[in-house]
Amino acid sequence: AQSVAQPEDQVNVAEGNPLTVKCTYSVSGNPYLFWYVQYPNRGLQFLLKYITGDNLVKGSYGFEAEFNKSQTSFHLKKPSALVSDSALYFCAVRDGSGQNFVFGPGTRLSVLP
Amino acid sequence: DAGVIQSPRHEVTEMGQEVTLRCKPISGHDYLFWYRQTMMRGLELLIYFNNNVPIDDSGMPEDRFSAKMPNASFSTLKIQPSEPRDSAVYFCASSTLAGVYNEQFFGPGTRLTVL
Repeated sequence: AQSVAQPEDQVNVAEGNPLTVKCTYSVSGNPYLFWYVQYPNRGLQFLLKYITGDNLVKGSYGFEAEFNKSQTSFHLKKPSALVSDSALYFCAVRDGSGQNFVFGPGTRLSVLP
Repeated sequence: DAGVIQSPRHEVTEMGQEVTLRCKPISGHDYLFWYRQTMMRGLELLIYFNNNVPIDDSGMPEDRFSAKMPNASFSTLKIQPSEPRDSAVYFCASSTLAGVYNEQFFGPGTRLTVL
């Protein structure tokens, strides 16, 4: 069965600094990987996905993620953090045989002014 | 497009009462998912439908929970009788089969409080 780990409950970063939110996964077959963001009192919003192709995926709001097959990781990155990036971030995996997602536990990102 | 619509946005009820949550998926989407989010357990998939047919309900916690999708534009999640431990935010999401690996689109959620 597929699974997702987000090893950090909380990430704090100063505004203007680069940020990384970590995700590792376990799946049989080819992984299809997603990042979502959740702002307070809102539903999850799609940020980006990796299906195939280039290991560096670019998404919404300046975010990008790097797929690393050997390390089974899909870390979310942004070169320069904004205070408005403060939110809860979820990594999710979907294997080739299933239609449902498995979400990680979430990482709370706080960008400090 | 209005996106996924959920109602009500907030529901406060007393233990033992029946609760019905409603969802309207994005038009044309083939899949509909119900999730529950709590601080303790994170985001849990309860059930999902494909073309109005329940495919996997293994996440439904107990027989007190039931979900239906009578047509492509409407689904309900019912809890009867409700208990305080059912308090959570319930999300509905939809996606399209066209492009099997497309993302899910989430509604704003229903915050349920059972007293």
